[in-house]
Amino acid sequence: GAVVSQHPSRVICKSGTSVKIECRSLDFQATTMFWYRQFPKQSLMLMATSNEGSKATYEQGVEKDKFLINHASLTLSTLTVTSAHPEDSSFYICSTTVNTEAFFGQGTRLTVV
Amino acid sequence: AQKVTQAQTEISVVEKEDVTLDCVYETRDTTYYLFWYKQPPSGELVFLIRRNSFDEQNEISGRYSWNFQKSTSSFNFTITASQVVDSAVYFCALINTNAGKSTFGDGTTLTVKP
Repeated sequence: GAVVSQHPSRVICKSGTSVKIECRSLDFQATTMFWYRQFPKQSLMLMATSNEGSKATYEQGVEKDKFLINHASLTLSTLTVTSAHPEDSSFYICSTTVNTEAFFGQGTRLTVV
Repeated sequence: AQKVTQAQTEISVVEKEDVTLDCVYETRDTTYYLFWYKQPPSGELVFLIRRNSFDEQNEISGRYSWNFQKSTSSFNFTITASQVVDSAVYFCALINTNAGKSTFGDGTTLTVKP
């Protein structure tokens, strides 16, 4: 099946810094990438939908200026958490859909100290 | 709007017991896909099964089986003869075929004790 490679798998950063998370589709072209966030012991919540070559669509309550999404090519989508704060600590995971089947990246566990 | 409900937050069983994880969904779409994923402590989502809305046949894969009943909007997952390695969080999810995004249930944490 399709492979989505996400990195880094873990990152610890200082409060106020920015962190970039990358998701690459390795053997197919992903025109759409979904970004999810999962707080401890909670479900995965959709943050935003990125489409290649156009602006991302953010879910209600998600700050677009804080979570910058770039989908400049058909094989790469990035999520940048800007000016990170401890409350941004979470598990972030990307996903794309191919023929109605969802493929997920390995996830990134972000810890902001 | 879509919604997936997993009423069981946590389940604890003893090894070799059978266990059923419930999933109930809501959608206005006539065409959709349902999924089950396993999430071990590492966090990665492990795909278990996909079922489309037109296929109500039950499925068995080894110790796993799934019961899809459209009449009750349920897609339940049974593990037979559970093992300690089955301990994980299990998510039920629904995909809208037009939008492609997944709606997840809150997950069920399964603990299998030796």
